Amino acid sequence: ETGVTQSPTHLIKTRGQQVTLRCSSQSGHNTVSWYQQALGQGPQFIFQYYREEENGRGNFPPRFSGLQFPNYSSELNVNALELDDSALYLCASSLERSWETQYFGPGTRLLVL
Amino acid sequence: ILNVEQSPQSLHVQEGDSTNFTCSFPSSNFYALHWYRWETAKSPEALFVMTLNGDEKKKGRISATLNTKEGYSYLYIKGSQPEDSATYLCAGPGAGSYQLTFGKGTKLSVIP
Repeated sequence: ETGVTQSPTHLIKTRGQQVTLRCSSQSGHNTVSWYQQALGQGPQFIFQYYREEENGRGNFPPRFSGLQFPNYSSELNVNALELDDSALYLCASSLERSWETQYFGPGTRLLVL
Repeated sequence: ILNVEQSPQSLHVQEGDSTNFTCSFPSSNFYALHWYRWETAKSPEALFVMTLNGDEKKKGRISATLNTKEGYSYLYIKGSQPEDSATYLCAGPGAGSYQLTFGKGTKLSVIP
């Protein structure tokens, strides 16, 4: 069983740029959730995708957007980067939007200068 | 929005000590409570998902209890080992149907 993978592992961008982060879900999982973890905080829910549709969104502005592909992999796009977007971005896959276990990737560390 | 609080923020224990920490959450609109262990430079790893009041779950030396009426869960580690050093996160359901709201975590350091 293949685990959740994310790419890239680290990324440095400058303010105003755009970034795309990628996530491959665990085999058999059709739901992907994205989280942002800022320093000293717990992971904050950004949004969830289920079968290629957005299925819930946290308190993040529209410049945070996403996609889920037919193979259930996913992208997180952030436009007009701000310094406060510097954080660890985690994705997690799960089965059928359920309350059951979420399986996390190792994260992408984004630094915005 | 559901606020999930964890205490203590950090904890240092000697190898062999038993320890416990707390996750509290508003008891209204409860559906499930998750515990994850997150070791440095690794992915968060699921420990337990609990849904019923009075649930008790166990995995080796780690166990958890759930009280949905008063809005708390305890995580216990018996005979702590250095490999238990990690941040322990709990998460409950958020405002939306399927989102999780995480606490800030309890960072456990086990001293050999």
